[in-house]
Amino acid sequence: DTGVSQDPRHKITKRGQNVTFRCDPISEHNRLYWYRQTLGQGPEFLTYFQNEAQLEKSRLLSDRFSAERPKGSFSTLEIQRTEQGDSAMYLCASSSPGPSYGYTFGSGTRLTVV
Amino acid sequence: AQTVTQSQPEMSVQEAETVTLSCTYDTSESDYYLFWYKQPPSRQMILVIRQEAYKQQNATENRFSVNFQKAAKSFSLKISDSQLGDAAMYFCAEWGSGAGSYQLTFGKGTKLSVIP
Repeated sequence: DTGVSQDPRHKITKRGQNVTFRCDPISEHNRLYWYRQTLGQGPEFLTYFQNEAQLEKSRLLSDRFSAERPKGSFSTLEIQRTEQGDSAMYLCASSSPGPSYGYTFGSGTRLTVV
Repeated sequence: AQTVTQSQPEMSVQEAETVTLSCTYDTSESDYYLFWYKQPPSRQMILVIRQEAYKQQNATENRFSVNFQKAAKSFSLKISDSQLGDAAMYFCAEWGSGAGSYQLTFGKGTKLSVIP
């Protein structure tokens, strides 16, 4: 297992366009998380899946954001009608049940909205 | 709501010396975990060390150790024998078990520079 994979690494898009990011977690991890990190800040929680169920969403996740995890494997995060304020690093992480070992993070997808 | 505060935006340390990064947190949970993560430039975030709140003994991982003061809600990271590869952003994070929440709450980070 090569860890948590995210694709693409970088995405530049024009304002108003839709974008979709993919995350492949560690195969034996049933929990998957999306975070957003802006420059000079710590990661902020967006949403959490346990298997295929989306159990928690942050108020940061506006109507333009949607996340899925079909079949409890990979996950996608879609942003519709992107705005310049959406420019950030989008981090995916996965974990086993229980917090003891923390999360394993992916390398992130850096989104730039122009 | 949980909050994590890192009061030092930037720190520097001479190679081979020791540095301590500060973190305070605020939680109403009785059962929680604390973490330090390292994020090198343009690289992924990796776990440095973790501490279970119910354990009184401070966690240690090689050159990294913590000073966990539960009553003061303080969780500092000590890096001994600093190396050039330690240069990175360091984030303190807290996970609480209450209300079914599974999210980590992060501080804003401390940028550590290592001077050769």
